[in-house]
Amino acid sequence: AQTVTQSQPEMSVQEAETVTLSCTYDTSESDYYLFWYKQPPSRQMILVIRQEAYKQQNATENRFSVNFQKAAKSFSLKISDSQLGDAAMYFCAYRRGAGNQFYFGTGTSLTVIP
Amino acid sequence: DGGITQSPKYLFRKEGQNVTLSCEQNLNHDAMYWYRQDPGQGLRLIYYSQIVNDFQKGDIAEGYSVSREKKESFPLTVTSAQKNPTAFYLCASSIMWGLYGYTFGSGTRLTVV
Repeated sequence: AQTVTQSQPEMSVQEAETVTLSCTYDTSESDYYLFWYKQPPSRQMILVIRQEAYKQQNATENRFSVNFQKAAKSFSLKISDSQLGDAAMYFCAYRRGAGNQFYFGTGTSLTVIP
Repeated sequence: DGGITQSPKYLFRKEGQNVTLSCEQNLNHDAMYWYRQDPGQGLRLIYYSQIVNDFQKGDIAEGYSVSREKKESFPLTVTSAQKNPTAFYLCASSIMWGLYGYTFGSGTRLTVV
């Protein structure tokens, strides 16, 4: 099975500041997809951002961007201008190109300090 | 509005009982999934289904069963064979086998009493 590692169980950031959440993954595949999901206190998982491995350009969605380092198998999430509503659990996920199963990391709990 | 509805939000089960968690979607998605979430362990796949009347086991299928009689519905039964069923259960659906990500329901919290 694929493994996805989030080495930071908890992170905190001051409101309006920038924070980076780390994710590494283990794979021998060249075709795959990476995702970041947000799980707020309501516990409904929300897709934040998606990256296709064959694309060198890092994905961006408003204040959220990724740093995708394919050789290093690293996929970090940067949140700029942090807002109180960003406080949540964030999960990194991997999907093989030819597969249909996602593999999730153990999550990083983000606290935003007013 | 299109989405996934999971019910109930909270469920209590006595030891030895089977319980069924409901998952319904009106997104016209072909694939549906059940995940279990435990503290510190992320999400683990229980079962998934890509088409009606067909489903596959995930990583932790023991003690669980599913059916897919309709495209919109993918109920999960937690049987008495599941030794540690207390957890948060998430249902998801997708197009293109998750190529663009999953849409998740709001989850069911199951507690054994």
